[in-house]
Amino acid sequence: QKEVEQNSGPLSVPEGAIASLNCTYSDRGSQSFFWYRQYSGKSPELIMSIYSNGDKEDGRFTAQLNKASQYVSLLIRDSQPSDSATYLCAPGGAAGNKLTFGGGTRVLVKP
Amino acid sequence: GAGVSQSPRYKVAKRGQDVALRCDPISGHVSLFWYQQALGQGPEFLTYFQNEAQLDKSGLPSDRFFAERPEGSVSTLKIQRTQQEDSAVYLCASSSPPGELFFGEGSRLTVL
Repeated sequence: QKEVEQNSGPLSVPEGAIASLNCTYSDRGSQSFFWYRQYSGKSPELIMSIYSNGDKEDGRFTAQLNKASQYVSLLIRDSQPSDSATYLCAPGGAAGNKLTFGGGTRVLVKP
Repeated sequence: GAGVSQSPRYKVAKRGQDVALRCDPISGHVSLFWYQQALGQGPEFLTYFQNEAQLDKSGLPSDRFFAERPEGSVSTLKIQRTQQEDSAVYLCASSSPPGELFFGEGSRLTVL
């Protein structure tokens, strides 16, 4: 079992729709959770962080965390073609510093 | 500089050659990380520094891989006797708050 599991996709969504991305992790000691976006040929960039159970909203992005289920998700509302990228889930270790990345979910937003 | 700087951006090496990849982190960032990313995969952790101390090197795939950060700023990842399976993008990242990594553009290594 991988430490961080994501559906590789591609997840195809029409422009304006909601994209829903899921991630499960195995390290129960993880206390911090991050979503990174990676455009093709570029480096990952941080888009969301979440530390507590529940929802956290930032613009069109909402992160959801359920530590009991070891599950974290990302919703992208009003998806735009510029959201087409790979989204990487990354729980932090117990010490918080080292991140373990999932394989990423590729999202394609079609005009 | 304003961001994490990596060099070279592209490196082609013949099998068996040694390579050195450089990372210049964001000024003031204590933590520095090296990741390896194969095509179509997520970044895989290699090693982590806090200042000049290498706190975790559990991800280095073999003893051919060596990383250092002697003065707590610039870091170098060295790969000795390169093999074809070493071909990947090597990402360096620095952070101030834990987990909020700022990545460089990466060094793409191709071993022929």
